Amino acid sequence: DGGITQSPKYLFRKEGQNVTLSCEQNLNHDAMYWYRQDPGQGLRLIYYSQIVNDFQKGDIAEGYSVSREKKESFPLTVTSAQKNPTAFYLCASSIMEGSYEQYFGPGTRLTVT
Amino acid sequence: EDQVTQSPEALRLQEGESSSLNCSYTVSGLRGLFWYRQDPGKGPEFLFTLYSAGEEKEKERLKATLTKKESFLHITAPKPEDSATYLCAVQAFRAQKLVFGQGTRLTINP
Repeated sequence: DGGITQSPKYLFRKEGQNVTLSCEQNLNHDAMYWYRQDPGQGLRLIYYSQIVNDFQKGDIAEGYSVSREKKESFPLTVTSAQKNPTAFYLCASSIMEGSYEQYFGPGTRLTVT
Repeated sequence: EDQVTQSPEALRLQEGESSSLNCSYTVSGLRGLFWYRQDPGKGPEFLFTLYSAGEEKEKERLKATLTKKESFLHITAPKPEDSATYLCAVQAFRAQKLVFGQGTRLTINP
């Protein structure tokens, strides 16, 4: 089955620690995205990548970092510089031409205390 | 700046009671408008893409329509399993990202 996997589903960390969220897709999509979702707010874009070894900041990139070493993988690191890291994180992917809809993974809920 | 506003914020219906969800948008050159369904604690599930005013798409009890300023998601004779948050998003021609609305939380009571 083609799809997007995110792991882990739940993640707990102490304040001051960096944490990396995994995102893998086997849809052969070129573009991948990371969004953050907070209660009562729409999804906000953190980073996106259209090609291997290249990525762009989204609207709320501060305190986050990404890498894109393989087409299938787009991990997100939440650093200690992120002031309010507790949130639901969603990874998505899409093709670059034709229909532009993004397909989402199941999400990772990160809690930092 | 591209913007999406969804209304109402929450909607409760009885099973079988048809209604519509609204998505108003402003975007400089619409590439596409997208509807998603999201269940609690899960990722959004893609429903429809609409590209131009006058376009309509249907799937089971859902029908999405598009004008130059807004989109409607019509739900006909809903069932309890249609309960979810419905998200609307737009993409501009010049942009790769989607801009999302805050969603409408739909509850269908049996």
